[in-house]
Amino acid sequence: GAGVSQSPSNKVTEKGKDVELRCDPISGHTALYWYRQSLGQGLEFLIYFQGNSAPDKSGLPSDRFSAERTGGSVSTLTIQRTQQEDSAVYLCASSFDSGVSLEKLFFGSGTQLSVL
Amino acid sequence: GESVGLHLPTLSVQEGDNSIINCAYSNSASDYFIWYKQESGKGPQFIIDIRSNMDKRQGQRVTVLLNKTVKHLSLQIAATQPGDSAVYFCAETTNRDDKIIFGKGTRLHILP
Repeated sequence: GAGVSQSPSNKVTEKGKDVELRCDPISGHTALYWYRQSLGQGLEFLIYFQGNSAPDKSGLPSDRFSAERTGGSVSTLTIQRTQQEDSAVYLCASSFDSGVSLEKLFFGSGTQLSVL
Repeated sequence: GESVGLHLPTLSVQEGDNSIINCAYSNSASDYFIWYKQESGKGPQFIIDIRSNMDKRQGQRVTVLLNKTVKHLSLQIAATQPGDSAVYFCAETTNRDDKIIFGKGTRLHILP
């Protein structure tokens, strides 16, 4: 597609359930990021994939959070045993690494997660 | 830990006036800075960037200023328009292999 695609756009779940959020980056983009944005807040870094390197997971808030990127393209962010404080917009972004510098990020519209 | 932050959470500006949004960063190793604009219900969009070997860069109606001495970054928007209403984030990274860290954002409100 022309841009970064995220699905679902909205997800309502019950406390304790697992959820999976999907991100389709722009074709050819080697870097992929996940951020979390709580209401009225800034972007909290979660995880960063760059090519074939080991992902930078330093932003994941707990071991209930995990992410994978298959074939260097699609990424899935999984939250196990969801808690109410997990409610937020989860944003995915991708960029192209030219080999000289990391180019600008292109963001998806996010997944609004609501944990009841 | 290291962080990127903003001086003002909300800025109200008269339509037609210039807007100045400020950002302070604390990681002296950062060498690439970016401004993003986020409209309601959308993901952030790239506005302009600047590398540490520059102190000023201009785009269309926007200018970014970097003062590494005091670790300060600003975004200037000329002749502010209603469509400029959004939350503006500064972001930084240390090198091309590092993650990009965002500040908390400033909401720009345009007065008619």
